[in-house]
Amino acid sequence: EVVMTQSPLSLPVTLGQPASISCRSSQSLVDSDGNTWLNWFQQRPGQSPRRLIYKVYYRDSGVPDRFSGSGSGTDFTLKISRVEAEDVGVYFCMQGTQWPKTFGQGTKLEIK
Amino acid sequence: QVQLVESGGGVVQPGTSLRLSCAASGFTFSQFGMHWVRQAPGKGLEAVAIVSYDGSIQSYVDSVKGRFTISRDNSKNTVYLQMNSLGPEDTAVYYCAKGFYDSGPWGQGTLVTVSS
Repeated sequence: EVVMTQSPLSLPVTLGQPASISCRSSQSLVDSDGNTWLNWFQQRPGQSPRRLIYKVYYRDSGVPDRFSGSGSGTDFTLKISRVEAEDVGVYFCMQGTQWPKTFGQGTKLEIK
Repeated sequence: QVQLVESGGGVVQPGTSLRLSCAASGFTFSQFGMHWVRQAPGKGLEAVAIVSYDGSIQSYVDSVKGRFTISRDNSKNTVYLQMNSLGPEDTAVYYCAKGFYDSGPWGQGTLVTVSS
């Protein structure tokens, strides 16, 4: 199965400052049609995961534009341009190119 | 908008069975694959089963193969997860999610606790 490795696992950030989370896959996530099925999720405390980004860089409806995704192949990044208090939670990357879908370990973002 | 509502969770004893349901609305259900993801308390996420848009393809993660069965009823816009021979390791919140290669959105989840 595809192993997803996130870093850092803990991310203390000052309000208004940028944040960046890396996600690396053990195999290329590009499928035979050229699609890359890499999503980013946010899980706020006590809530279910919410998808923020799909197919590497497409933002879901209602997701603030301070969130952005980038990357290709095996190397992906989620960036928050200016962290707000409501961004506290755990962030996961997930690949859907190969079954079983697999997830990163999660990055806990907290306010410094 | 897309809405997924899971039900059927609860507290069960080891070795017993449970069937989860996920009612979908806000999209053409019969055109999309669906899958189930679980999250054990304080742990990460694990995708456990997936079904194609027409039910012809099902796949499972190794840890549930032979015990869990995913199915769907496109006339009822509902996907199911039949879970047999449950063990403490199956204790988790179970989420259903839209998509085959893609994943999202997810429902709010239903808690399954396996304990004697």
